[in-house]
Amino acid sequence: NAGVMQNPRHLVRRRGQEARLRCSPMKGHSHVYWYRQLPEEGLKFMVYLQKENIIDESGMPKERFSAEFPKEGPSILRIQQVVRGDSAAYFCASSLSGTGVSYTFGSGTRLTVV
Amino acid sequence: DAKTTQPNSMESNEEEPVHLPCNHSTISGTDYIHWYRQLPSQGPEYVIHGLTSNVNNRMASLAIAEDRKSSTLILHRATLRDAAVYYCILRDPVDDYKLSFGAGTTVTVRA
Repeated sequence: NAGVMQNPRHLVRRRGQEARLRCSPMKGHSHVYWYRQLPEEGLKFMVYLQKENIIDESGMPKERFSAEFPKEGPSILRIQQVVRGDSAAYFCASSLSGTGVSYTFGSGTRLTVV
Repeated sequence: DAKTTQPNSMESNEEEPVHLPCNHSTISGTDYIHWYRQLPSQGPEYVIHGLTSNVNNRMASLAIAEDRKSSTLILHRATLRDAAVYYCILRDPVDDYKLSFGAGTTVTVRA
């Protein structure tokens, strides 16, 4: 397993379109976290998921954003009706347990809204 | 949440040590001190963590002040591959899965 896999690496969307970002955690990891990094800023926590459950979505914008981690397949971060302000790098991390010592991050998806 | 303060940037020569300071004067007794780094166009990478005692691993050393209000990440021999943004993070014992990334310290390594 090469680690946390995110795809696509780069995504360009027009305003109003939908963006789907995928994250496959490390093998054996059942805890997934999404972070967003706006230009020139640090990463901000968005959501924490376990298989089929959202544990904490306190960092997610209330509208247009949703996340899921189905029993089978990758975790998906979905942004509906994208706006220019959604342009950012979105990182996914995974851990073996919910109180892991360290998290393994993917290389991110860079979303550009034009 | 307890906050950390780091210098914006630091420069070093290749194969010289780098000492990265971090102030966390409002740290609580149960907060762990974690360090991550982010190489250009990559996600953050775990470096090291500690609670009270100094820690060493293959990547770096972490020196923690006796009063725990500050700490220093030490890269013993900087290489060009160590050029990155280094983040000092306090792990909230309640929501310890939420890493709070500040602006970090941008480390530049000169050949």
